[in-house]
Amino acid sequence: DGGITQSPKYLFRKEGQNVTLSCEQNLNHDAMYWYRQDPGQGLRLIYYSQIVNDFQKGDIAEGYSVSREKKESFPLTVTSAQKNPTAFYLCASRVDKNYGYTFGSGTRLTVV
Amino acid sequence: SQQGEEDPQALSIQEGENATMNCSYKTSINNLQWYRQNSGRGLVHLILIRSNEREKHSGRLRVTLDTSKKSSSLLITASRAADTASYFCATAPSGNTPLVFGKGTRLSVIA
Repeated sequence: DGGITQSPKYLFRKEGQNVTLSCEQNLNHDAMYWYRQDPGQGLRLIYYSQIVNDFQKGDIAEGYSVSREKKESFPLTVTSAQKNPTAFYLCASRVDKNYGYTFGSGTRLTVV
Repeated sequence: SQQGEEDPQALSIQEGENATMNCSYKTSINNLQWYRQNSGRGLVHLILIRSNEREKHSGRLRVTLDTSKKSSSLLITASRAADTASYFCATAPSGNTPLVFGKGTRLSVIA
C-alpha cells in the first residue's frame, strides 16, 4: 500500500545535539512538507519542497534544515540552534494542488 | 501565519447528534480543506471544497463555503463515538502554496 512513513515514532534529543527525522513516501508525489504541532495548537510550516533538489523555508524554518535528493525522501534535521524543539513533527505530501495532503503518523521529539 | 480559525475550540455532544464546526479565514483562497486528527496521530484528509463551490457532501460529512464571508462549516451528521477527534480547516491561498492550518476544534462524542 502507498503511504508516508515517518521514523522514529519517538525521539529524544540531548541539549546541543542535532537529530534527523526521516520521511519517506512511495506515492510518487512531487510536493512534500514538514509541519510542527505544539500541544493544543495547529500546524506550523517548517519547510516544503515542490520538486527534487529544491525546497523553500516556511514560517518557522530557523533552527531546522532539510534536503530533497530523492523524490521519495525529505528528511528534517533539527539543529542545536532550535531552542525549543520539543513538539510533534508531521510530514506530508500531495500529488498536486487539486488534492489534499497525505500525512505520515508523526514523530514526537522531546529534549532531555 | 495561521489563516484559519475554527470555532468552537471544543465541542461535546451525545452519540447520534449532529456536530457543526466553523472556520473563518482572512485572505482569498483557491480551496479549503478539512482534516481529522485522532490523538497522537497524523492528520487524515476529509474533504476539499474549491472557491467556486458552495457545498459538498461526503458520506455523513457536509461542507459549506461562503467566500463573501470568508467562512466554512463542517457538519457531521449522526455522530458516533469514533468521530471523537480534532478537526482542522486548512486553506490554500493560491494554487501551489502550502496549506495554512487553523488551531482545530476538539470534538468529543459521548456514547
